[in-house]
Amino acid sequence: DTGVSQNPRHKITKRGQNVTFRCDPISEHNRLYWYRQTLGQGPEFLTYFQNEAQLEKSRLLSDRFSAERPKGSFSTLEIQRTEQGDSAMYLCASSLRNQPQHFGDGTRLSIL
Amino acid sequence: QKEVEQNSGPLSVPEGAIASLNCTYSDRGSQSFFWYRQYSGKSPELIMFIYSNGDKEDGRFTAQLNKASQYVSLLIRDSQPSDSATYLCAVTLALQKLVFGTGTRLLVSP
Repeated sequence: DTGVSQNPRHKITKRGQNVTFRCDPISEHNRLYWYRQTLGQGPEFLTYFQNEAQLEKSRLLSDRFSAERPKGSFSTLEIQRTEQGDSAMYLCASSLRNQPQHFGDGTRLSIL
Repeated sequence: QKEVEQNSGPLSVPEGAIASLNCTYSDRGSQSFFWYRQYSGKSPELIMFIYSNGDKEDGRFTAQLNKASQYVSLLIRDSQPSDSATYLCAVTLALQKLVFGTGTRLLVSP
C-alpha cells in the first residue's frame, strides 16, 4: 500500500490523558497536512508542513496541540490533557507541492 | 458567511439519472477547486479537481467552475447506488490548506 498511512485507526482515552497520532505520507510527497473532522462537518485545517518546516497553524490548534515532522518524512500530532471537545476524526493528507492532497484513513479519537 | 457553502441535502436521485451538486465560495482569491467523496465512517477521496473556468470531464464526472459567480458544481452522469455518499467541495489559495464545505449527502435509489 503506497497511500497515506495513519496510526492508530481508533483511540479511546480518558479525559486529561495525552495522545499521539502518527502519519506516514506518500513517500515522495513533501507536503503534509493535518485536519480534524467532527460529525456532519467538513474537515477543518489544523497545520501543514513542507518538508520538516511547519509553515502554517490554525487558531484551532491550541497550546495543547503540537505537531512535528522531524525528518521531513512521517509526522506526529500530540494532544495533551485531552478534553471532551477533542473527540473527532483526525485526518492526515499529503501532496507534492503543486498537486492535490490525498488523505489517509484517519484516526478516530474518543474521549471518555 | 461561510467560506464554502453547500446544501447539506440529502439529494435523492434515481439510478441512471444525473446528480448535480453545487458549491459557492466567498474568497475571490481562491485558485483551486476540488471535489472529494466521503463514505460514512471513511476518509475523503479525491474525485475531481479544476483550476480554470469551464468544464472538466473524467468518466461519469464533470466539474464546472465559474469564477465570476464564485460557483463550482459537480455532475455525476448515470448515477449508481454506489455513488451514494457525502460529496465535499473544497477550495484553496495557492494549493495550500483546503477549506471545505459541510458536504452534500447524495442518495441514489435503485
